[in-house]
Amino acid sequence: GNSVTQMEGPVTLSEEAFLTINCTYTATGYPSLFWYVQYPGEGLQLLLKATKADDKGSNKGFEATYRKETTSFHLEKGSVQVSDSAVYFCALRDAGGTSYGKLTFGQGTILTVHP
Amino acid sequence: DTAVSQTPKYLVTQMGNDKSIKCEQNLGHDTMYWYKQDSKKFLKIMFSYNNKELIINETVPNRFSPKSPDKAHLNLHINSLELGDSAVYFCASSQVSNTEAFFGQGTRLTVV
Repeated sequence: GNSVTQMEGPVTLSEEAFLTINCTYTATGYPSLFWYVQYPGEGLQLLLKATKADDKGSNKGFEATYRKETTSFHLEKGSVQVSDSAVYFCALRDAGGTSYGKLTFGQGTILTVHP
Repeated sequence: DTAVSQTPKYLVTQMGNDKSIKCEQNLGHDTMYWYKQDSKKFLKIMFSYNNKELIINETVPNRFSPKSPDKAHLNLHINSLELGDSAVYFCASSQVSNTEAFFGQGTRLTVV
């Protein structure tokens, strides 16, 4: 079955530091890949997505590139802010028609950014 | 306008009770989902409905029963609540032909 593995957290950074959260996946075919973010006390929001190999998703200074050869979708940001403190989830959506949009999530990575 | 809305946001109840969580989406999507987030933040799908038809039913106790009266609504009824049911339950919706799912704010269920 499909699976997503994220780097262990929590991650603690100082403001303006560089962020990388690793994500690797196991799936058949060509899944779509996502990063969702959950701010404290809120629901999940889509941060960025990529639907095919070599696509780069980007939003709010965050980027991730779909690497089929390494089955990875690492999240990066050049300079984090305190407001980026949240839980980040990597997820995949099976390419098969029978998945009906089911998302398989990684375990989530808690990010805390200090001033 | 809230795209996916759940009620209630918080639910505290005693073991053995029956409770329902309601979800509505105004995005015109044809597929809706329930996900469970445990205390370690892990998210796992429970159910999915496409055009009011149950299409995904993961290994969930049959005390959990989803109901979809129409495409815009998906409710979750839980019978005989147990301590282990305490979690955050998220409703989501998407268009099955598209890739992006939109999530509600979550319902934090606490069973005491």
